[in-house]
Amino acid sequence: SQQGEEDPQALSIQEGENATMNCSYKTSINNLQWYRQNSGRGLVHLILIRSNEREKHSGRLRVTLDTSKKSSSLLITASRAADTASYFCATVNTGFQKLVFGTGTRLLVSP
Amino acid sequence: EAGVAQSPRYKIIEKRQSVAFWCNPISGHATLYWYQQILGQGPKLLIQFQNNGVVDDSQLPKDRFSAERLKGVDSTLKIQPAKLEDSAVYLCASSNRTGELFSYEQYFGPGTRLTVT
Repeated sequence: SQQGEEDPQALSIQEGENATMNCSYKTSINNLQWYRQNSGRGLVHLILIRSNEREKHSGRLRVTLDTSKKSSSLLITASRAADTASYFCATVNTGFQKLVFGTGTRLLVSP
Repeated sequence: EAGVAQSPRYKIIEKRQSVAFWCNPISGHATLYWYQQILGQGPKLLIQFQNNGVVDDSQLPKDRFSAERLKGVDSTLKIQPAKLEDSAVYLCASSNRTGELFSYEQYFGPGTRLTVT
């Protein structure tokens, strides 16, 4: 079953703009991860944030986690056409040793 | 470092036929996963191996799906007989647990796109 729900389902922006994607989940987590999937390809791990962390940065990526609201956001700053992909959040639930993926956000960055 | 390898990349079969997918994980990764990703959805875990033992196969339709990981390295996933609803991308991933809290960062292969007609 899907644990996370991403919002929006699809996002279309211009190069240079920022893109924000949100993820909500249902149960207590150990950590939350974001993955990118280019069309027809496998998933690539972007960033992991643990349940005791509130914010994490990696290059142009910024992830926040609010465990009280059971939500996370992924911000991509100064987007590029190469950022066009689907982005998935995935949770590692407390007590369960596996990743449960959300439904994904399709991001289109136009030149 | 070589990534996760999968083959074939594409497969078209008729319903009721059988099909097998192969995965070679990153060298040294003890944990291997098979996921099913239906178009427009996120990946769903089918089975997880730790070395050559099954850790979780709760979402594997065992009446038609089977998987093995002999010698704790390569793995095969088989569907027999296939149904139309098995049309999906089958992703293999591997990971190496590190640290005090398991990171569960997973490395994915390119996937096999299966079409059942």
